[in-house]
Amino acid sequence: IAGITQAPTSQILAAGRRMTLRCTQDMRHNAMYWYRQDLGLGLRLIHYSNTAGTTGKGEVPDGYSVSRANTDDFPLTLASAVPSQTSVYFCASRPQGADTGELFFGEGSRLTVL
Amino acid sequence: GENVEQHPSTLSVQEGDSAVIKCTYSDSASNYFPWYKQELGKRPQLIIDIRSNVGEKKDQRIAVTLNKTAKHFSLHITETQPEDSAVYFCAARDNTGNQFYFGTGTSLTVIP
Repeated sequence: IAGITQAPTSQILAAGRRMTLRCTQDMRHNAMYWYRQDLGLGLRLIHYSNTAGTTGKGEVPDGYSVSRANTDDFPLTLASAVPSQTSVYFCASRPQGADTGELFFGEGSRLTVL
Repeated sequence: GENVEQHPSTLSVQEGDSAVIKCTYSDSASNYFPWYKQELGKRPQLIIDIRSNVGEKKDQRIAVTLNKTAKHFSLHITETQPEDSAVYFCAARDNTGNQFYFGTGTSLTVIP
């Protein structure tokens, strides 16, 4: 693994189903983020984690949950998917303490909820 | 929370011309302003950034200006090339360093 990896790349899901998007990074970055990207709305923050064991809510957290059991992994779970959660989801990471705005993004996960 | 507005949503320029994208932010405590470029089907990638204690920064054909008083910042691309065609996002980082708020994006097309 080099950088930040997301899985699956693409998924079609029936409404009401549970879904977990996986995100793994090997850069030992402390901070990790989940964004959703929708046309005309840009990138909106769902949840974030400053370090392993802590999480926080972003702009649009409803319907999503996250966990941060270790530094490398930051899964995003949709407990009961709804069509409005159809989107492209990007995981990102950033080294803690570095005074930089550079977020390192994964390749994205395209989710369609029918 | 912070609110970032970005204009225009689409922009077409002839190859060799300049392109300017403008963003405004609402929280005067925001202190860091990155710009990301996203090519079709790809991930966003940082192209340039500016801190709140700097008024202008340049990197080859790309420059960013920041007006803290007016709370707006702009991306300038000179001598545009077809490979500059992409969606560009501005962002503002809050003063806790925890959250980055993105603009809605500008789709730039450079016409050969």
